[in-house]
Amino acid sequence: GDSVTQMEGPVTLSEEAFLTINCTYTATGYPSLFWYVQYPGEGLQLLLKATKADDKGSNKGFEATYRKETTSFHLEKGSVQVSDSAVYFCALSVWGGATNKLIFGTGTLLAVQP
Amino acid sequence: DTAVSQTPKYLVTQMGNDKSIKCEQNLGHDTMYWYKQDSKKFLKIMFSYNNKELIINETVPNRFSPKSPDKAHLNLHINSLELGDSAVYFCASSQKTGIVGAFFGQGTRLTVV
Repeated sequence: GDSVTQMEGPVTLSEEAFLTINCTYTATGYPSLFWYVQYPGEGLQLLLKATKADDKGSNKGFEATYRKETTSFHLEKGSVQVSDSAVYFCALSVWGGATNKLIFGTGTLLAVQP
Repeated sequence: DTAVSQTPKYLVTQMGNDKSIKCEQNLGHDTMYWYKQDSKKFLKIMFSYNNKELIINETVPNRFSPKSPDKAHLNLHINSLELGDSAVYFCASSQKTGIVGAFFGQGTRLTVV
């Protein structure tokens, strides 16, 4: 079945450090890939997306590249800020012609210290 | 204007009660979802509706019954609440194919005591 695996947290970094959160997927079809962010006490916000191989999604300094050959969609940011502290979810969506299912990874807690 | 809004934001109730959570989206999307997020932040899809028709029904107890009066609304009714139902419930909506992702409501934190 379709699934998403992402690195376990928590990930603790100092401000201005480089961030990588790994995400790999398994899908029977050709999925779209997403990163969502959940700030404390809030709902999920779509951070970035990629819909086909080699696409790079980017937003707010975060980037992720759709790598079909390695079935990966790793999230990166060159210099994190305290305000980036949140839970990050990798997700995929596969359209089966009749149904669409958005499947999430387990989430990775990022804590950025000043 | 809030794209996906759900009410209430917090819900505290006793075991055995029946409660409902309402969800509305103003994005013109055809598909709406209910997700459950447990205490470890794990998100699991419960239901998916496309244009008022039930599409996905994961292994959810029969006590949970979604209702979609129109494609802009998807409500969740829960009968005979149990302690294990305590979680945050998220409503979401997307275009039918889901290619551009889903938009989520702010969540309803349900606490069963």
